[in-house]
Amino acid sequence: DIQMTQSPSFLSASVGDRVTINCKASQNINRYLNWYQQKLGEAPKLLIYNANSLQTGIPSRFSGSGSGTDFTLTISSLQPEDVATYFCLQHNSWPTFGSGTKLEIK
Amino acid sequence: QVQLKESGPGLVQPSQTLSLTCTVSGFSLTSNSVHWVRQPPGKGLEWMGGIWGDGSTDYNSALKSRLSISRDTSKSQVFLKMNSLQTDDTAIYFCTRTTRFDYWGQGVMVTVSS
Repeated sequence: DIQMTQSPSFLSASVGDRVTINCKASQNINRYLNWYQQKLGEAPKLLIYNANSLQTGIPSRFSGSGSGTDFTLTISSLQPEDVATYFCLQHNSWPTFGSGTKLEIK
Repeated sequence: QVQLKESGPGLVQPSQTLSLTCTVSGFSLTSNSVHWVRQPPGKGLEWMGGIWGDGSTDYNSALKSRLSISRDTSKSQVFLKMNSLQTDDTAIYFCTRTTRFDYWGQGVMVTVSS
């Protein structure tokens, strides 16, 4: 199975900050990497698919980059409503998830 | 619009079988895969398995011996059955659409306890 190492596990930032979250795959997954946002008590929401494609309806402050084994989710200007846990998913082979990054506002 | 909704018992006794239903709308099961994902309390997500548009199935190798996924296309429903439940199977169980996992149900909490 492909292992996904996500960092950091916890992140505290101020409104307006640029925030980055990383995922590293244990082997090449091309661009088969998605990013999700999960708010407390809710289902995950797809933000970015295939590494850098913005899902319909998602604000443009969210962006994704990377290919191969190293990927990044960037929030260009953090908003209060972005408080959530973020995680990555690789679907190059049997799907596996990152362990999650809990994001809070300072 | 695309919707998925899980249903099933909230409490299952150890060693018993879990049966869950995912009822979908807004898309065809014959053209889209549906997958089951679970999340133990306070922990990360685990893909359990899925059923493809042609009806074939794939399972997480760690669960394969206990897990079965099937569907009834006439009712737009996908079913999960998992036997020999233990306490560490306590989790929120989600169904989600396609390998993009683009739409999710709200999840159903299943507690394994006597």
